[in-house]
Amino acid sequence: AQTVTQSQPEMSVQEAETVTLSCTYDTSESDYYLFWYKQPPSRQMILVIRQEAYKQQNATENRFSVNFQKAAKSFSLKISDSQLGDAAMYFCAYCDGGSNYKLTFGKGTLLTVNP
Amino acid sequence: ETGVTQSPTHLIKTRGQQVTLRCSSQSGHNTVSWYQQALGQGPQFIFQYYREEENGRGNFPPRFSGLQFPNYSSELNVNALELDDSALYLCASSLTGDHVGYTFGSGTRLTVV
Repeated sequence: AQTVTQSQPEMSVQEAETVTLSCTYDTSESDYYLFWYKQPPSRQMILVIRQEAYKQQNATENRFSVNFQKAAKSFSLKISDSQLGDAAMYFCAYCDGGSNYKLTFGKGTLLTVNP
Repeated sequence: ETGVTQSPTHLIKTRGQQVTLRCSSQSGHNTVSWYQQALGQGPQFIFQYYREEENGRGNFPPRFSGLQFPNYSSELNVNALELDDSALYLCASSLTGDHVGYTFGSGTRLTVV
């Protein structure tokens, strides 16, 4: 079974600084997708960034980028120029590339942004 | 384009009772999944529905059941509620064949007393 591990229960960053959230996963599949979701106090899971395993290039979405190391099964999220609105729970998630769209989540990292 | 809406937002039930949670999927999406998120944990996959049939199930007992309707909306039913069923229940919709990721609702907070 696939597992996702987030080893940092909490992280903090100063406004305008950069922070990196860690995620490792375990799978025997070669075709899969990885995601970072943000969950603010409103409770809705918001997709931050997505990475296809077959793509070697790291995904980037504005201030958010990932460092995808397939051999090491590592998928970290870098947030640049942190803003107060970035404060939230961040979940790393895995999904097989087949027809089953089950997402497997990590336990999350609570990010605090200090002004 | 409408997002995913869930109702109710909060619910309190007594142990042993039954509950029905509802979800309207995002316009254009044909697949609905349900997740249980216990306090301080990541969401756990309950099951997924496609074409009104269950299409994958997580490690949840049969007292967790669901329905999907022709308009792709969905219900989650839980019978014989237990205290450990207290959690945030998230509904997510997607389009089969499209791996851009789910669109989630804001969830129903269920408290079992």
